[in-house]
Amino acid sequence: EPEVTQTPSHQVTQMGQEVILRCVPISNHLYFYWYRQILGQKVEFLVSFYNNEISEKSEIFDDQFSVERPDGSNFTLKIRSTKLEDSAMYFCASSEYLFRNQPQHFGDGTRLSIL
Amino acid sequence: SQELEQSPQSLIVQEGKNLTINCTSSKTLYGLYWYKQKYGEGLIFLMMLQKGGEEKSHEKITAKLDEKKQQSSLHITASQPSHAGIYLCGADVGAQKLVFGQGTRLTINP
Repeated sequence: EPEVTQTPSHQVTQMGQEVILRCVPISNHLYFYWYRQILGQKVEFLVSFYNNEISEKSEIFDDQFSVERPDGSNFTLKIRSTKLEDSAMYFCASSEYLFRNQPQHFGDGTRLSIL
Repeated sequence: SQELEQSPQSLIVQEGKNLTINCTSSKTLYGLYWYKQKYGEGLIFLMMLQKGGEEKSHEKITAKLDEKKQQSSLHITASQPSHAGIYLCGADVGAQKLVFGQGTRLTINP
């Protein structure tokens, strides 16, 4: 069964450094998403992306964050200058159709630890 | 903004017993998703409910969306160790954005 893959599974970075999290969505999916889960808290929406543009973003997704689809398969989340509070599990997801009420399929996540 | 509240927050049951997890929304639900998260891993899609009164089943797991579309329940029959994990409900709040509950941690004792 097709799946969303994320790399790396764990990333340790010094505060202030840039980090790029990578995702390969399911191949025929059109919508892509990033969520994060701080330890012990709810899974939170960060951003949705369609047709090479951001569709929606949350208040968390400030100027330090950016997303990109550099080629036909990868979808990346960049944090420009990491802060301690960026430590979390980051999940990539994708869904097939444009319309509402389509299931989003999630990857296994990247655990980001900021020192 | 829409909020989802799950109950209970954690549940310990004996293997073979039935159990129910509830998800209550602060607003009408237009799409309700159930996911399972194994510890430290990703979210696995279980079921999606859209219509009031809808009920879906997959193996020993049944999910329902009430008529008023503000509450959903997840029922597991004859629980097994493989059912252990964290169950999350998620609501579609538009623009394909999901809002999640805090999760219910399920432990199955042999």
